[in-house]
Parts: sequence; C-alpha cells; structure tokens
Amino acid sequence: DGGITQSPKYLFRKEGQNVTLSCEQNLNHDAMYWYRQDPGQGLRLIYYSQIVNDFQKGDIAEGYSVSREKKESFPLTVTSAQKNPTAFYLCASSLVAGVYNEQFFGPGTRLTVL
Amino acid sequence: SQQGEEDPQALSIQEGENATMNCSYKTSINNLQWYRQNSGRGLVHLILIRSNEREKHSGRLRVTLDTSKKSSSLLITASRAADTASYFCATDGSARQLTFGSGTQLTVLP
Repeated sequence: DGGITQSPKYLFRKEGQNVTLSCEQNLNHDAMYWYRQDPGQGLRLIYYSQIVNDFQKGDIAEGYSVSREKKESFPLTVTSAQKNPTAFYLCASSLVAGVYNEQFFGPGTRLTVL
Repeated sequence: SQQGEEDPQALSIQEGENATMNCSYKTSINNLQWYRQNSGRGLVHLILIRSNEREKHSGRLRVTLDTSKKSSSLLITASRAADTASYFCATDGSARQLTFGSGTQLTVLP
C-alpha cells in the first residue's frame, strides 16, 4: 500500500448523510485520484487532481465532491445526491499526472449505506 | 468508458503451472499497465509496457503487447498460492486518465 493511507477502513452511512473519506500520501506526488470499485468490476474514476488547488471530474463524478488544499491530502465527500454509494473506494497517487506513470494505491475504504 | 477488457474472467490452476491472462482494448494507446489486487486491498502496479515495446519481463512476469491486434497478455510462470489475486490491465483513455478493465480472478491451488 506504499505511502498512501486511507481512513476509515469501513464506513457506514445512513441515507441522506454526507460522509468524507480521507486520503493522505507522503510520497511527494503531485497527482492524486479517487476510484470506485463495485463487486467483481474494475475501477471507475471519480475525480483526479494534477496539482494543489486543482481537480477534474472523472467518469462518475455526480454525487461526489473533492478538495485539494494540501499536496498530501485529497479527501472525497460522498454526498446525499449519490444514489448508490455502497462500494469500495480507492485513492491513488502518481509522481505527476499522465498515463506514463504508475499509480500507487491506498488500502481502500468500504462504504456501506444502511 | 472501459477501454481494456481482461479474459478469462476467472482462472484456476495448480501451483507450479503457468497462468496466462489477456487484455483487449479498442482504441490506440500510449502504454498499457498491469496491476494486481489481493482481495479487499488496494492495487499494486506490476509492469508498464509502452506502445513501441513488444515484450517485457519482470521476475516471473512476462507481458506482451500486440498493437496490431490491440491486445496484451500477462504470463505468470511457476505460479504460487500467493499469486492468487485479481489482475487488471489499464490503458490510457481520455487525457491523463487510466482506464481499468474488469479483471481476471486468478486462483492458484496448492
């Protein structure tokens, strides 16, 4: 899992609540990413950030929000507008943005809506 | 927007055998990466092969890329029970983003 930490490992949310997932890296990477993984499926990109104070929508950004105020941190908020939020959420980082760089992943947060 | 697709979806082999997984993609790529995921964990990068490369090795891993067929294969030689995991290929989709396939679930039986 390298130098990326995610917390909490498990998260339970009631319908209508917003929740924030934490992602921190100490790799001095410029780029950070959030993915969603559903059972038996691949990863889908929610948001990514190439540099501090910048972020871009991925393929499934609706119902999610992010911030990138510090290089080390890229928190993801799952809002009540996300209709089906139960999933495994993975944060990743790479030295710089771009498809030539390998991504380093955190251990993931499993979110369950009750 | 799924670019790479792995085949087979699941593979079960005996320890010591070789495991081969394939990845097909639709549009031209700059590079293709393979990742491994143990159950309930994050992904770990295995190998990156650029579009101008045909074959690459890393330990017991051998990756090939055939851009004319838009396909790649990952070979794990002399597999071990610890190789049991899901394996994903990732290709460059839209700008600055990787697109992951659905993965091959490999089970190595002791």
